[in-house]
Amino acid sequence: GDSVTQTEGLVTLTKGLPVMLNCTYQTTYSPFLFWYVQHLNEAPKLLLKSSTDNKRTEHQGFYATLHKSSSSFHLQKSSVQLSDSALYFCALSGITGNTGKLIFGLGTTLQVQP
Amino acid sequence: NAGVIQTPRHKVTGKGQEATLWCEPISGHSAVFWYRQTIVQGLEFLTYFRNQAPIDDSGMPKERFSAQMPNQSHSTLKIQSTQPQDSAVYLCASSLDFEQYFGPGTRLTVL
Repeated sequence: GDSVTQTEGLVTLTKGLPVMLNCTYQTTYSPFLFWYVQHLNEAPKLLLKSSTDNKRTEHQGFYATLHKSSSSFHLQKSSVQLSDSALYFCALSGITGNTGKLIFGLGTTLQVQP
Repeated sequence: NAGVIQTPRHKVTGKGQEATLWCEPISGHSAVFWYRQTIVQGLEFLTYFRNQAPIDDSGMPKERFSAQMPNQSHSTLKIQSTQPQDSAVYLCASSLDFEQYFGPGTRLTVL
């Protein structure tokens, strides 16, 4: 079945350093990938989305590129800030052949230290 | 736009009691999704409506859980005979296309 794998449960970084959160997926559909960010006691909010192979998508300083050849959609930022501390979810949907539900990875907690 | 509204925000029930969770989607959105969030399992899909019709309930536990969408302005998730393992944050999301907007969730605690 469809699945999303996020290999890091917790990433701790010092402010100003770059970060990459890993996301790989498995699906039989033409994929639509998403990154959601969830701050403590808040709703998940969409950060990035893409269905286009090899095209970088950016928002709020974060960026990701969907690579269908490696089934990956890693999230990156060149310089993390304290406010980036949150839980990050990678999620998968299908453009066709899927009912529209999101399949989530287990999430990666990003902790940014001063 | 108030976003997706979920009530109550917190609910505590005793084992064996019933819990009903409410969701008001964003006006104009045609799809409503229910998810469950726990520390161990993460975010799990439960069920989904489009234009009020049930489309996919593959994530719903077969017993005790049911969902309805009687009109375009709200959906309910009902859990009968709640058990401690039902304790979770239940999230509702609505969408017009592929982008889903989440509500703040209902934290259900079953004692």
